[in-house]
Amino acid sequence: SQQGEEDPQALSIQEGENATMNCSYKTSINNLQWYRQNSGRGLVHLILIRSNEREKHSGRLRVTLDTSKKSSSLLITASRAADTASYFCATDSPMAYKLSFGAGTTVTVRA
Amino acid sequence: DTEVTQTPKHLVMGMTNKKSLKCEQHMGHRAMYWYKQKAKKPPELMFVYSYEKLSINESVPSRFSPECPNSSLLNLHLHALQPEDSALYLCASQDDNEQFFGPGTRLTVL
Repeated sequence: SQQGEEDPQALSIQEGENATMNCSYKTSINNLQWYRQNSGRGLVHLILIRSNEREKHSGRLRVTLDTSKKSSSLLITASRAADTASYFCATDSPMAYKLSFGAGTTVTVRA
Repeated sequence: DTEVTQTPKHLVMGMTNKKSLKCEQHMGHRAMYWYKQKAKKPPELMFVYSYEKLSINESVPSRFSPECPNSSLLNLHLHALQPEDSALYLCASQDDNEQFFGPGTRLTVL
């Protein structure tokens, strides 16, 4: 079942610009993850942020988590054409091993 | 070996056919998953195997039958599928909290 809502649904930016997408969820979590999916391919894990963390960085990625608002954001800085993909947030659940994925944001980076 | 492999990459089958999807990982992960993904939608969980035992079945129709022969292999047996079952089928394995996905099998049911 889907817990997360993501916005925007789609985002088109120029190469070099920053891209920001948001994820909201409904129930308490232990951690939240972001995944990237290139067209028709498998998902690739980008970053995990735990419920006791507020911000995390990995290369050009910056993730924030606000547990009081039940929301997270993913910022991609200095975007490249290769960043064109769909991005999904995923939250853990009380049921072990199960992730709930958000609806996803499709990002297009124009050269 | 840090990848999940899936075969075949593409599969076209009729509604009366029986086919199988295969997934393999050699990372020692003890949880393995099948997801179904329709275009422009997030992956939908179908099954979870934990230590080679089925631990989650998300009320998937019986025309989909999973099998975990050993800790490295996961199969999905398909029989009497419907055209609406056409989708990308993703396999994943889990290490701690992170899931590693295979490239998927693009299934078309005619």
